[in-house]
Amino acid sequence: GAVVSQHPSWVICKSGTSVKIECRSLDFQATTMFWYRQFPKQSLMLMATSNEGSKATYEQGVEKDKFLINHASLTLSTLTVTSAHPEDSSFYICSARDPKNGRNTIYFGEGSWLTVV
Amino acid sequence: DAKTTQPPSMDCAEGRAANLPCNHSTISGNEYVYWYRQIHSQGPQYIIHGLKNNETNEMASLIITEDRKSSTLILPHATLRDTAVYYCIVRVADSGNTPLVFGKGTRLSVIA
Repeated sequence: GAVVSQHPSWVICKSGTSVKIECRSLDFQATTMFWYRQFPKQSLMLMATSNEGSKATYEQGVEKDKFLINHASLTLSTLTVTSAHPEDSSFYICSARDPKNGRNTIYFGEGSWLTVV
Repeated sequence: DAKTTQPPSMDCAEGRAANLPCNHSTISGNEYVYWYRQIHSQGPQYIIHGLKNNETNEMASLIITEDRKSSTLILPHATLRDTAVYYCIVRVADSGNTPLVFGKGTRLSVIA
């Protein structure tokens, strides 16, 4: 099946620094990718929709200047957490829609654990 | 907001069928029913989806009621590796920019 890959799987950074998470679609082109955040024992919360070649669309309450999203190619979207704080520690997950066969199934990456110390 | 209702948790004996219910009484005519599961500390995994007909693949079967207001995901022979949170989601399948909106899901525990 389709594969979406994230990197890194986990990262620890110091408060005030920035960290970048990559999301790649490995065997299909994704014009749209989605970024989610998940806190322990909670469900996935949609952060933003990333569109290739245009600005991302952010959900209400998500700071676009803090969570920078870039979708520069059809196989890569990046999420940069700027000036990270401990409360940004979370599980970040991306997903992408595979248009093959007209089924438009959405597949998810493995997730990236961010710990801000 | 999620448009589905699922029981918060269920138990199933290993080797038995796991039947996970989902209510989606406000589903629209062009919305599909999707099922995903999330094993601890991993990204969600696609299981199956359907519009109105029952569907079956190598992982599971999806039974959708005739009025489409509810559905059941069936894992025919549950194993310990099927322990996960299962999410039922309704979504318009032909819209590339429509994300999946997750509710709280059902935590399935498969017991040896």
